Amino acid sequence: AQRVTQPEKLLSVFKGAPVELKCNYSYSGSPELFWYVQYSRQRLQLLLRHISRESIKGFTADLNKGETSFHLKKPFAQEEDSAMYYCALRAPGGKLIFGQGTELSVKP
Amino acid sequence: NAGVTQTPKFQVLKTGQSMTLQCAQDMNHNSMYWYRQDPGMGLRLIYYSASEGTTDKGEVPNGYNVSRLNKREFSLRLESAAPSQTSVYFCASSEVVRSSGNTIYFGEGSWLTVV
Repeated sequence: AQRVTQPEKLLSVFKGAPVELKCNYSYSGSPELFWYVQYSRQRLQLLLRHISRESIKGFTADLNKGETSFHLKKPFAQEEDSAMYYCALRAPGGKLIFGQGTELSVKP
Repeated sequence: NAGVTQTPKFQVLKTGQSMTLQCAQDMNHNSMYWYRQDPGMGLRLIYYSASEGTTDKGEVPNGYNVSRLNKREFSLRLESAAPSQTSVYFCASSEVVRSSGNTIYFGEGSWLTVV
């Protein structure tokens, strides 16, 4: 069965510190993975997807098929990065399966 | 460019009442979705529609019905609301693009409280 796991409910770091939000997945085929971000009381927005290997707002994520992980990283966190982050896996039929979400809090 | 629009934004219902959440998208997408968001549970798929005229159950369909009225609109109905359906509901739509894969666009959310 397809599954996405984000083991941390809350991650708190100081401004300027590195941050890594963990995501592990379970999928039998070749996965298509995404990170979505939700700022306070706003709609979810696509942050990045693994197929485009892009860096958005300083965030990057590398797909590691051996470890079935897609961790989100940023070398220097900013206060405006505080938000909920969701890892998602595209399942057959196009629907997205989301993880439980990690709340990132960046303190000044 | 409105994207995905859902109404109402806020609603309080009494147990047993019925209501319909409306959703419309202007991006000519084939696929549409309804998710609910609960603390510690992430987003869970209620129903989805791969194309006009088709609907399928997601992870948590019990207590809900949907209608894909046309390509633009996908409504979610609570026939007899229960307190367990207190949640934030998100409508979304998507299209698979050969060059960039599948991107899902979300509405702003509907906060529903059942008392």
